[in-house]
Amino acid sequence: GAVVSQHPSWVICKSGTSVKIECRSLDFQATTMFWYRQFPKQSLMLMATSNEGSKATYEQGVEKDKFLINHASLTLSTLTVTSAHPEDSSFYICSAHSPYRASTDTQYFGPGTRLTVL
Amino acid sequence: QKEVEQDPGPLSVPEGAIVSLNCTYSNSAFQYFMWYRQYSRKGPELLMYTYSSGNKEDGRFTAQVDKSSKYISLFIRDSQPSDSATYLCAMSSGTGANNLFFGTGTRLTVIP
Repeated sequence: GAVVSQHPSWVICKSGTSVKIECRSLDFQATTMFWYRQFPKQSLMLMATSNEGSKATYEQGVEKDKFLINHASLTLSTLTVTSAHPEDSSFYICSAHSPYRASTDTQYFGPGTRLTVL
Repeated sequence: QKEVEQDPGPLSVPEGAIVSLNCTYSNSAFQYFMWYRQYSRKGPELLMYTYSSGNKEDGRFTAQVDKSSKYISLFIRDSQPSDSATYLCAMSSGTGANNLFFGTGTRLTVIP
């Protein structure tokens, strides 16, 4: 249980284009989803927290107009990197949480999406 | 000072060795402690989850929490080459919907 998927697993795009990353909880309903980015040999940095049906809460320093988050259903959240630039190249990871799961009450992570902006 | 400190390694051990990974933290409000394993280019996978102080064992893995010292450990017995990964400690003051604070991760290599 607690399976979270992400799509695509990797993407290469040109500078100035927008990229959408999907995060799905496959076997549970996630009331809260989190988006992280991870640079090589560094830990995860929380970008934003989204609750189903409401606006995302962004961490300090994260541009909400650049990183658009939509959590339209209990199993799907999307992150859109708008007007991507090479410095946005990173590994983006989502996680999901549900208070209704009987097992360990923590976040479960997706496999990540590697974004390369040329 | 970072909220969570973790030695980044890298750490190399021979197969069969006992591995000890550690994290220290500064926030006394942390009550939930986790260890995640992350293979290269993959998302973190939950290994151990503990609440408050004490020990928890799961197969070859043992997690220890000492809240008085603000120190947590993960022990891996009879280490295997498949244990080669980056191990991240994480902690929070509340349950899963709360922000997790991560260590930088320790890269472990188990040599056959």
